[in-house]
Amino acid sequence: NAGVTQTPKFRVLKTGQSMTLLCAQDMNHEYMYWYRQDPGMGLRLIHYSVGEGTTAKGEVPDGYNVSRLKKQNFLLGLESAAPSQTSVYFCASSSTGVRGPKNIQYFGAGTRLSVL
Amino acid sequence: AQSVAQPEDQVNVAEGNPLTVKCTYSVSGNPYLFWYVQYPNRGLQFLLKYITGDNLVKGSYGFEAEFNKSQTSFHLKKPSALVSDSALYFCAVRASSNTGNQFYFGTGTSLTVIP
Repeated sequence: NAGVTQTPKFRVLKTGQSMTLLCAQDMNHEYMYWYRQDPGMGLRLIHYSVGEGTTAKGEVPDGYNVSRLKKQNFLLGLESAAPSQTSVYFCASSSTGVRGPKNIQYFGAGTRLSVL
Repeated sequence: AQSVAQPEDQVNVAEGNPLTVKCTYSVSGNPYLFWYVQYPNRGLQFLLKYITGDNLVKGSYGFEAEFNKSQTSFHLKKPSALVSDSALYFCAVRASSNTGNQFYFGTGTSLTVIP
């Protein structure tokens, strides 16, 4: 039971570099989310998706883009990384109630990103 | 706007004593409230939720939470704390819009259970 898998686990970038974080879930969940976790600020929603081919902005979307070409995958992209994007990134998925308990989010183990 | 507040950054409790982690919320409409726990270097894990019904909700690992509509609170409780309960706890609220469901998390409360 893999659940939600995030790759990579760690990454160090230089300012201006780009990268993509991958989230994969094997629970056939409709909803997927990207959060960032910063000390003293809890989790803040970056972008989310309610289904394949659809995405929406969360609280802090600036500087990030996302894509959900396949139901099981949700990609988070940083086109030009900035030091302010140093954070721990979490992906989560949840069901609408058809394929599991509704509203419960299942989280990946996180990606620790440092931008120098 | 939907939001949750966790007024305590840190809670310390002796093993075997009851514990309470506080959460207050602000929502429009009926509240959908959640508690999650995070162990070091791990993702969040679901503990319990309140959607409707009884104000006392029971969840995983012996935790429970009390929904109080008049005080807009959803405090997490456990009758007898274990050292293994030491972790970071997050309260969350669901907000619905025409683009789907979003979840807003509190800033977290670090619980330390002292042997």
